[in-house]
Amino acid sequence: DVKVTQSSRYLVKRTGEKVFLECVQDMDHENMFWYRQDPGLGLRLIYFSYDVKMKEKGDIPEGYSVSREKKERFSLILESASTNQTSMYLCASSGDKNTEAFFGQGTRLTVV
Amino acid sequence: AQKVTQAQTEISVVEKEDVTLDCVYETRDTTYYLFWYKQPPSGELVFLIRRNSFDEQNEISGRYSWNFQKSTSSFNFTITASQVVDSAVYFCALREPSGNTPLVFGKGTRLSVIA
Repeated sequence: DVKVTQSSRYLVKRTGEKVFLECVQDMDHENMFWYRQDPGLGLRLIYFSYDVKMKEKGDIPEGYSVSREKKERFSLILESASTNQTSMYLCASSGDKNTEAFFGQGTRLTVV
Repeated sequence: AQKVTQAQTEISVVEKEDVTLDCVYETRDTTYYLFWYKQPPSGELVFLIRRNSFDEQNEISGRYSWNFQKSTSSFNFTITASQVVDSAVYFCALREPSGNTPLVFGKGTRLSVIA
């Protein structure tokens, strides 16, 4: 069974903290993605990676960075969390560029 | 540039009614892929269907059907005889095959099916 696992379902962090969101996939997929979901705005792409150590900015990369040291793991980093980064974060992976993406269960992050 | 528009923000229907969710897309490529996902209250996006731009045949899967029309750049999704379990947010998405491109999503349509 296809599996994308995000490390936390819910997180509460303080303003200014460095936050790590982890995502692991077990399908040997080349591509991994981080999206942010907010009411009325749908899913917006933060960063994606098509290979180990490779990364590409999405539509809203400001305030975020990513790390992909191993093929199965893609981390999203909030360098200094702010309240406007309170959101649902969704990780996904896909095989070749023509296929569907498979999603994790999401991490609901609250920054206070 | 790619764009997906789901004009219906929220739809509410009574159980057993049919409902159609609209999706209109924009792309410059002649080859592309379209998708529908379901997001139930639990939060995880569930893949429903993929369609490539060369295949305009409509597809039916149980109570679900999809109507792809290139002439109007639309990929609409119909649920027949809706059930309460169909209540979810539904997303339409587009992916271009050129380069390593991610899926581009519409803003979603929240469907509420009332018993």
